[in-house]
Amino acid sequence: GDSVTQMEGPVTLSEEAFLTINCTYTATGYPSLFWYVQYPGEGLQLLLKATKADDKGSNKGFEATYRKETTSFHLEKGSVQVSDSAVYFCALKAGGGNKLTFGTGTQLKVEL
Amino acid sequence: GAVVSQHPSRVICKSGTSVKIECRSLDFQATTMFWYRQFPKQSLMLMATSNEGSKATYEQGVEKDKFLINHASLTLSTLTVTSAHPEDSSFYICSARPAGESGNTIYFGEGSWLTVV
Repeated sequence: GDSVTQMEGPVTLSEEAFLTINCTYTATGYPSLFWYVQYPGEGLQLLLKATKADDKGSNKGFEATYRKETTSFHLEKGSVQVSDSAVYFCALKAGGGNKLTFGTGTQLKVEL
Repeated sequence: GAVVSQHPSRVICKSGTSVKIECRSLDFQATTMFWYRQFPKQSLMLMATSNEGSKATYEQGVEKDKFLINHASLTLSTLTVTSAHPEDSSFYICSARPAGESGNTIYFGEGSWLTVV
């Protein structure tokens, strides 16, 4: 079945550091790929998405590129801020259905 | 943006009792709502899909008689965990798709922590 694997956290960085959160997937066909973010006390929010190979999703300084050859969708940001502290979830949706398959989530802590 | 609210955010119940979690779309109508469960260090797992006015569709391995889902209105879906046991302790999250929106537009609630003692 479909699955998403992302790096375990927590990831602790200093402000302005470079961020990478790895995400790899297994799916049949050509899934759409997503990154969701959950800030403390809030619901998951869609951060960015990519629907086909080589697409790059970007939002709020975050980027992720859909790499079919490595089945990856790593999340990157060049300079993190304290306000980026949250839990980040990688997810995929395969076929035309409704089902999102999530990774375990990675907690990011950014310190001054 | 669109808001989905869950209540309660945290609940503790005794083993054998039932507990209800509500999921409300506050500023839009949701024809479809989804219920997820997340155990510690595991992924969010889809439990069921509920459509307003019809029976929920449960994922394989999820007991429909134990996890009762009601989607009686376009703004409210409820999940009732019946005869709860400690192994039901988990983080439950709902999400909602606005009526008329495309498949990727989904808004999530903030989640509900259930502890069964």
